[in-house]
Amino acid sequence: ETGVTQTPRHLVMGMTNKKSLKCEQHLGHNAMYWYKQSAKKPLELMFVYSLEERVENNSVPSRFSPECPNSSHLFLHLHTLQPEDSALYLCASSQGIEGIYGYTFGSGTRLTVV
Amino acid sequence: AQSVTQLGSHVSVSEGALVLLRCNYSSSVPPYLFWYVQYPNQGLQLLLKYTSAATLVKGINGFEAEFKKSETSFHLTKPSAHMSDAAEYFCAVRGDSSYKLIFGSGTRLLVRP
Repeated sequence: ETGVTQTPRHLVMGMTNKKSLKCEQHLGHNAMYWYKQSAKKPLELMFVYSLEERVENNSVPSRFSPECPNSSHLFLHLHTLQPEDSALYLCASSQGIEGIYGYTFGSGTRLTVV
Repeated sequence: AQSVTQLGSHVSVSEGALVLLRCNYSSSVPPYLFWYVQYPNQGLQLLLKYTSAATLVKGINGFEAEFKKSETSFHLTKPSAHMSDAAEYFCAVRGDSSYKLIFGSGTRLLVRP
């Protein structure tokens, strides 16, 4: 497989559930990102990892917990979410955190919190 | 601080007509600029990028964009719209001292038969 793969594509969870989103990149990139895309809102950068170290956490609530075990994998652990957390969650990767070559995005996980 | 403004949240064109999607940026240093396209329930796909080489950049699917420093613009064009071009388009800038890409709010392109 090539590119950035996100699983699952769709997820429905209750507010008391715990679930995880997975992202895997096969591009040899060394930086990875989580974005949140809500209807009628700009893309929101949530977390940035460079060489498996978190370099940015954009005031994201603690009910979102990222994990980057190696440069190819990125997880977003979810617990006690709220309905307003329903959105498309996008993972991206880049060669170098400088981003001068742009990011490669996965297809996203459509999350619905009920 | 760097920023991106996309004029028009929705643009509607007829099939075969010129497509023009506007993007203006601000950056205190020479920027890197990008256009992405997003089809429904998909991620963002890179259309083209400007990285300080030629000011006219050609991308995939017949799109191109011209970097105009004096106007701080990076508008996206395509001579003839196709129904398959209907999607949301995002302009992004990487400039200043920040390593982050800053995305515009997006422009939804509608193509009428």
